[in-house]
Amino acid sequence: GAVVSQHPSWVICKSGTSVKIECRSLDFQATTMFWYRQFPKQSLMLMATSNEGSKATYEQGVEKDKFLINHASLTLSTLTVTSAHPEDSSFYICSAADRGATEAFFGQGTRLTVV
Amino acid sequence: DQQVKQNSPSLSVQEGRISILNCDYTNSMFDYFLWYKKYPAEGPTFLISISSIKDKNEDGRFTVFLNKSAKHLSLHIVPSQPGDSAVYFCAAPDNTDKLIFGTGTRLQVFP
Repeated sequence: GAVVSQHPSWVICKSGTSVKIECRSLDFQATTMFWYRQFPKQSLMLMATSNEGSKATYEQGVEKDKFLINHASLTLSTLTVTSAHPEDSSFYICSAADRGATEAFFGQGTRLTVV
Repeated sequence: DQQVKQNSPSLSVQEGRISILNCDYTNSMFDYFLWYKKYPAEGPTFLISISSIKDKNEDGRFTVFLNKSAKHLSLHIVPSQPGDSAVYFCAAPDNTDKLIFGTGTRLQVFP
C-alpha cells in the first residue's frame, strides 16, 4: 500500500519555541493532505486540509497563525507549531490522498511535548 | 453535529470470541466507509472498507457489514486475538474527501 512518512515521531521543545513536523508521501502524489490532532482518549480532530499549491483550509477553532501549514509540493506538507505552549502538547497525525482516492493514508504520527 | 458515531467507547472480549464494533452515521450521502485501527502512540492504520453498493466485505478475520436503511455499520473480528487490542475508528469521506471519524471504540481482548 501507499506509504506516508511523518517526521519526527516525537519531539520535546521548550515553551515559546516553534516546531516543524513533516509529512511526505513516498510513492504517490498527494494532492491533498490532512492534519489531525488527537488528545488523550479522544478521537482524531481534523485541524486543516491542504491542497498542493494553495492555502490550507482550517477547521473552526484552529488558529491558522499558530499552526502554519505548507503544502508546496505533491509529496511534502509541513505543519509548524509556532510559539508552542504546554497545551499544544498532543499527538499530531497527517494523512495524504491523491486525486480521486477513496481513502487516505496516514503517517506514523508525531508526539509533541512542550515543556 | 456528529455525523459518524461510535456509541460504545470501550469493549472487552475474551480471546477466541467474536468482537463486534458498531458505527452509526447520519449523512445519507456517505457512500464509502472505512475502519481504522490505532495502537497507542502510533498513527491509525487502515483496516477494511466497504462501498455502499455492498452490504458485506470480508478480509480474513475481519468483516464489515453495512445496513444502509439503518445507517449502521459494524466490524466483526473473529476469532479475536490479544493483538487486536486497540482503538478502532470508523470513518466516511464527505463530498470533499475529508474523512469524518467516529469517536473510536477501545477494544480489549483478554486471554
